[in-house]
Formats: sequence, C-alpha cells, structure tokens
Amino acid sequence: TQLLEQSPQFLSIQEGENLTVYCNSSSVFSSLQWYRQEPGEGPVLLVTVVTGGEVKKLKRLTFQFGDARKDSSLHITAAQPGDTGLYLCAGGSGGGADGLTFGKGTHLIIQP
Amino acid sequence: ETGVTQSPTHLIKTRGQQVTLRCSSQSGHNTVSWYQQALGQGPQFIFQYYREEENGRGNFPPRFSGLQFPNYSSELNVNALELDDSALYLCASSPDRGTEAFFGQGTRLTVV
Repeated sequence: TQLLEQSPQFLSIQEGENLTVYCNSSSVFSSLQWYRQEPGEGPVLLVTVVTGGEVKKLKRLTFQFGDARKDSSLHITAAQPGDTGLYLCAGGSGGGADGLTFGKGTHLIIQP
Repeated sequence: ETGVTQSPTHLIKTRGQQVTLRCSSQSGHNTVSWYQQALGQGPQFIFQYYREEENGRGNFPPRFSGLQFPNYSSELNVNALELDDSALYLCASSPDRGTEAFFGQGTRLTVV
C-alpha cells in the first residue's frame, strides 16, 4: 500500500513569512501533484511534477520533486492571507488505474 | 474553474437507503475518477472509468458502483448506506488515464 505523509499537519504564520511543507513516501511515484482545497470545495490543481529533481515555480510558490521521486516540497515566499487553505499532495502511478494517493494535507493559516 | 460539475451539492439520506451522485466531466476528457473525503482526511480513491469501462478500483466494497456515459457524464451509486459513508464525494476528470486530475466542487453526503 502506497502512503504519503505530509508535514506539518497544521501551520499558522504571519503575513510576509516564508514556509515549506513536505510530502514524503517510501514508494516511488510516476508523478506528484499538489492541490489547494478550500472548506467544502474540491481540490484545485496547482502543479504536476514528473521528473526526479524537477523544480517548478508558480509566482511565490516553488515545488520540488525529490531525485528518487518519493518526496516533494512546497515552498511559499512572503505568504499572504489568500494563501490560507488545505494543501494536499497526491502521487500517481503510470496508467492511473490505482488512482491518486493523497496525503492528509497541511492546514495553512496566514494571519494578517 | 475546472469545467467539472457535480450534483447535488448537498444530500441527506437515511441509513440503508441508496444514493446516486452525478458528475459532468470536462469536454474531451475520457477518464473520470471518484474519491471519498472524510472530515480531516485526504481524498480516498474509489474507482476510475476509462471510455465507459471500469479501469481501476480502490479498497471500497461492491455496494459502491459507477457508470460513465458517452456524453462525458458519470454516476456514483452507493447502496445500503451506512453512517460511515458520510463524506464529501469528489469527481475528477482527466484527459487520459494517468494524467492530471481536475476536481469538481464535490457532493456533501450526510447519512443519518
């Protein structure tokens, strides 16, 4: 059974600070996706990484896929209150027949 | 806006009843997946349909079943509802198997 562990589970910081959240597994994934979810809504796709060592930037968000494709990180620079939400990582296997394996998420609160 | 819509948004059912949830996928996407998200957890994969046939299934009993139609719509059916079936049910549309998943807003099912 593939598992993804996210840390920290909860994070509350002040506006303007930087932060990093982590997604770790003992399994290898063919791709890893990061989502942000608001309460009562579906997850919104932020980025997909597929190559070991890959780094992608989305404005103030930087995503990295580990060299062995077992872990990933999300770094936010100068966090803003609009970044508040549940951040989920999800690992995919080739062909997709096993669906996505999600972590439990990191609840992020950015205080003004 | 992902182009994936789910109905209804909220639903209350009694234990033992049956329920049908509906999803309209993004045009051109031939793959649809369904997930169950309990409170405080990440989404759990139920099953995936590719070109109207079940392509993969997670660890859910047979009373969870589905259909995918040629017009990019799909259904999730749950028989003999149990209290633990209370959750947010998410539909995800993908251009093809193993590609990025785009989620709808979900259906909140409460079983009493």
